[in-house]
Amino acid sequence: EDQVTQSPEALRLQEGESSSLNCSYTVSGLRGLFWYRQDPGKGPEFLFTLYSAGEEKEKERLKATLTKKESFLHITAPKPEDSATYLCAGSGSARQLTFGSGTQLTVLP
Amino acid sequence: DGGITQSPKYLFRKEGQNVTLSCEQNLNHDAMYWYRQDPGQGLRLIYYSQIVNDFQKGDIAEGYSVSREKKESFPLTVTSAQKNPTAFYLCASSISGPYSNQPQHFGDGTRLSIL
Repeated sequence: EDQVTQSPEALRLQEGESSSLNCSYTVSGLRGLFWYRQDPGKGPEFLFTLYSAGEEKEKERLKATLTKKESFLHITAPKPEDSATYLCAGSGSARQLTFGSGTQLTVLP
Repeated sequence: DGGITQSPKYLFRKEGQNVTLSCEQNLNHDAMYWYRQDPGQGLRLIYYSQIVNDFQKGDIAEGYSVSREKKESFPLTVTSAQKNPTAFYLCASSISGPYSNQPQHFGDGTRLSIL
């Protein structure tokens, strides 16, 4: 059975304090690892797809990386508007996305 | 602007009542999905559809039903058989079906509560 585990569950940072969110996965026949951002009361917003180990993608202050067992979402010099829940999901031979339960990020001014 | 529209934003269900959640997309995507989101849990798949007039059960289909009569529309009915329907329901779509590595794009959800 495919599994995706995110840590930590919650993270509080000061503005400008860089950190990383972790996504550990066991997904058979991984086809893609997806990162989403979700604001309260809204649907997830797509951020990145990573397809193979060693791949990296960047968008503004966010950088996603992938190994054979984990993915990391690095946040550099975060701002309060980066506060959200970040979701990770894996797509493999099981024909559906398996989602982690998310990391709730709070960036304090 | 292309996107996914879910309605209503909030919905209340009485005991023994069926309710239908609407999902419309204008992205010309073939595949559509329904998820349920509960606090502290990952999104769980209820149903998905790869083409019109075809749909497949996900992990938690019991107590739910769907139809796909048009490419743009994928309504979800929460039946009275679903004993714990209170949740945030999310509709998504993707260019091609779940075998692909294409990302899914989500609507802004419907929050269903019991009266």
